[in-house]
Amino acid sequence: DQQVKQNSPSLSVQEGRISILNCDYTNSMFDYFLWYKKYPAEGPTFLISISSIKDKNEDGRFTVFLNKSAKHLSLHIVPSQPGDSAVYFCAASENGGSQGNLIFGKGTKLSVKP
Amino acid sequence: KAGVTQTPRYLIKTRGQQVTLSCSPISGHRSVSWYQQTPGQGLQFLFEYFSETQRNKGNFPGRFSGRQFSNSRSEMNVSTLELGDSALYLCASSLDRGNEKLFFGSGTQLSVL
Repeated sequence: DQQVKQNSPSLSVQEGRISILNCDYTNSMFDYFLWYKKYPAEGPTFLISISSIKDKNEDGRFTVFLNKSAKHLSLHIVPSQPGDSAVYFCAASENGGSQGNLIFGKGTKLSVKP
Repeated sequence: KAGVTQTPRYLIKTRGQQVTLSCSPISGHRSVSWYQQTPGQGLQFLFEYFSETQRNKGNFPGRFSGRQFSNSRSEMNVSTLELGDSALYLCASSLDRGNEKLFFGSGTQLSVL
């Protein structure tokens, strides 16, 4: 039973436009959420995180929104660039966010076309 | 500062064999976690080690085991390999437990024939 779901396996966006990647979770004990980006043949790299006490966190072109009542979070990339093409994983943890035990979604492959 | 180093990069084994994978965390990092990535299941948590002690374990059979040494380096072992164990095994390290950023290695790609 998947606790973190990324229902879109892939997303294609034009360069310069907004990319919106979505993630849903079922475990109400999750209190810390993260997004990781993964290029082929490399390990995932941390992108941005958000604590459950916030509903928005921004870092440059990347913004994560958290809707606790809907158990939904989204990652916005504005503007999208070809170098953003990668697989994006949503992850969650509970009990103060010990990242050693993250629950990951299956990922969304983002393709940004020039 | 060197990143997380995993060896070997690729491994081919046959069913029934056992395998040991190695992970050297970033210098100064004390927490090491292991994840399995497969196309169908995504990234799944295997176990976490901190101060040479297993702190968390995922939902994997006992054939999967690991350990951490006093220098924080970690190994994971899979015994009696099955075809379904074919996956990318990722090691991640962090400075400490808690809200610390995880740094992943490039992984060991294991193929079981």
